[in-house]
Amino acid sequence: GAGVSQSPRYKVAKRGQDVALRCDPISGHVSLFWYQQALGQGPEFLTYFQNEAQLDKSGLPSDRFFAERPEGSVSTLKIQRTQQEDSAVYLCASSLANEQFFGPGTRLTVL
Amino acid sequence: GESVGLHLPTLSVQEGDNSIINCAYSNSASDYFIWYKQESGKGPQFIIDIRSNMDKRQGQRVTVLLNKTVKHLSLQIAATQPGDSAVYFCAENMERSTGRRALTFGSGTRLQVQP
Repeated sequence: GAGVSQSPRYKVAKRGQDVALRCDPISGHVSLFWYQQALGQGPEFLTYFQNEAQLDKSGLPSDRFFAERPEGSVSTLKIQRTQQEDSAVYLCASSLANEQFFGPGTRLTVL
Repeated sequence: GESVGLHLPTLSVQEGDNSIINCAYSNSASDYFIWYKQESGKGPQFIIDIRSNMDKRQGQRVTVLLNKTVKHLSLQIAATQPGDSAVYFCAENMERSTGRRALTFGSGTRLQVQP
């Protein structure tokens, strides 16, 4: 496919579990972003990669959140010891220039 | 702090009418704005963008107006169709404290098109 893909689409976790969310950006896109979207709200910036370098992680809400993009393509957002307040849709976007192309998101529900 | 927000949470229009969705921003240094459409279960989809050196930009059935004096922008959709039903966000591509740019979104307006 030509678009950004994310997996899984839905994830249910028990409080305290670790989760890993995957993003496959559009091939060749240098920039990759992660956003968190709470129900009824707009997406909020989490972190930004340029190739494999994480240039901005100022939006990560706590040290339980960790993101990586080791080969400059696929990215993984990991959340350790999940809490109920982590329940949200996690969106990934990639871009070559100004326009960001979003994936469908992963809906995380923490029970 | 600086923020991008919206006036109306829900807008209901009749099919065929024109729709206007409004957005206010507070950072006078903002120079690049984007409108996104988000359908249920999908990620935001780019509609149209505008830079601060422009007052108006037109696309296919959509027009964005930017009023820098009152820090307001609007999205106009002509001849609204049922497929236009979605949540619309204005976003500001702004420089963060890290020196990197990222999107700052408002809370969204839900557009409901009545047949």
